[in-house]
Amino acid sequence: DADVTQTPRNRITKTGKRIMLECSQTKGHDRMYWYRQDPGLGLRLIYYSFDVKDINKGEISDGYSVSRQAQAKFSLSLESAIPNQTALYFCATSDFRLRAGELFFGEGSRLTVL
Amino acid sequence: AQSVTQLDSQVPVFEEAPVELRCNYSSSVSVYLFWYVQYPNQGLQLLLKYLSGSTLVESINGFEAEFNKSQTSFHLRKPSVHISDTAEYFCAVNYGGSQGNLIFGKGTKLSVKP
Repeated sequence: DADVTQTPRNRITKTGKRIMLECSQTKGHDRMYWYRQDPGLGLRLIYYSFDVKDINKGEISDGYSVSRQAQAKFSLSLESAIPNQTALYFCATSDFRLRAGELFFGEGSRLTVL
Repeated sequence: AQSVTQLDSQVPVFEEAPVELRCNYSSSVSVYLFWYVQYPNQGLQLLLKYLSGSTLVESINGFEAEFNKSQTSFHLRKPSVHISDTAEYFCAVNYGGSQGNLIFGKGTKLSVKP
């Protein structure tokens, strides 16, 4: 089983719908992240959380919200999806003891907004 | 501003040829450097990292990268590539230590042809 699990893996939705992407991890890491990948743009950080009570905006947080339900769970919501949010979304984890910030990624959630 | 530049978006090579994927970062006193690989339809996996010590770091599948502080570069090399090396490669830099986040380059697609 994967250490970092994302659901759903694929989702097609319509403009204006609310969407939630979920991430759970069994690595015991305290830090969790949501990234967005677009062709030619690399990975861009949406939100990150260093522990359950800590939520921080990343580079491109507009139009997104997150919830850290437990140390092992971090969900990403799109309150009203729009077509330019069509992308591949990655959840990642890290351990504060890894001072360099090495990330461990899930398999990704492909979201298409029509 | 802190940035990571991958100079080539696509690199086509023939099997058994050498390859170099270039990565430059904006100058900083202290950085941690990473290369991640993304095989088709998969998440990102750590390929190798430089934290400190020897400036030449190696992966288990024959890749190596050299930290060059004066050139602010961390180029990835392999003397002889295989078809199975076809993937997208991302350079990432942590400028902030234990409180920092990884900043990713835009990626280089390596295509190995028979």
